Amino acid sequence: DTEVTQTPKHLVMGMTNKKSLKCEQHMGHRAMYWYKQKAKKPPELMFVYSYEKLSINESVPSRFSPECPNSSLLNLHLHALQPEDSALYLCASSQAFSGRGTDTQYFGPGTRLTVL
Amino acid sequence: GESVGLHLPTLSVQEGDNSIINCAYSNSASDYFIWYKQESGKGPQFIIDIRSNMDKRQGQRVTVLLNKTVKHLSLQIAATQPGDSAVYFCAENTGFQKLVFGTGTRLLVSP
Repeated sequence: DTEVTQTPKHLVMGMTNKKSLKCEQHMGHRAMYWYKQKAKKPPELMFVYSYEKLSINESVPSRFSPECPNSSLLNLHLHALQPEDSALYLCASSQAFSGRGTDTQYFGPGTRLTVL
Repeated sequence: GESVGLHLPTLSVQEGDNSIINCAYSNSASDYFIWYKQESGKGPQFIIDIRSNMDKRQGQRVTVLLNKTVKHLSLQIAATQPGDSAVYFCAENTGFQKLVFGTGTRLLVSP
């Protein structure tokens, strides 16, 4: 089973709203990732959690706040977003056994976010 | 045919043809490469990977070739089917769980 689930599938929010995206995996993976993907563009890395600790933040604005409550769950809290933040937000996970991270990343279906 | 420009590069093939999708990567220190398939409205789906100590790896109907000298990666799909229509991304591991994706190629398969 290589399934990563994400909820919700679609989200529409205003610029003053606070919302959260959720990601879950039950593959025993210890690395989890958030990516942002604009239309017709490749996914871009936002955050990496390794063993429930934030290991990489790709200079993401503070209006995006990640959280990893346990090894199976990953959240992305959203606050005061801008219309240009509208995108597909993808979660991925990998085993993270290798120190260099050469482990296959498996992606969820994404949350399509629209900021009005 | 293949077109590159302001839009996503597109490769159009007939069903049954072999397809070759190319990718240039940027970091000579990258040691792990993955091909993903992304269908409309879905997340990227793992197809095949290759480590830098190899130059070829085969899967079911797919082959990945790696040329480290010119930093080039290709994905060959044998007997392409309509269900193969999607956007294909190569990705390189630049170190410590950081994957950098290529720009993507749209594959269109006509019946």
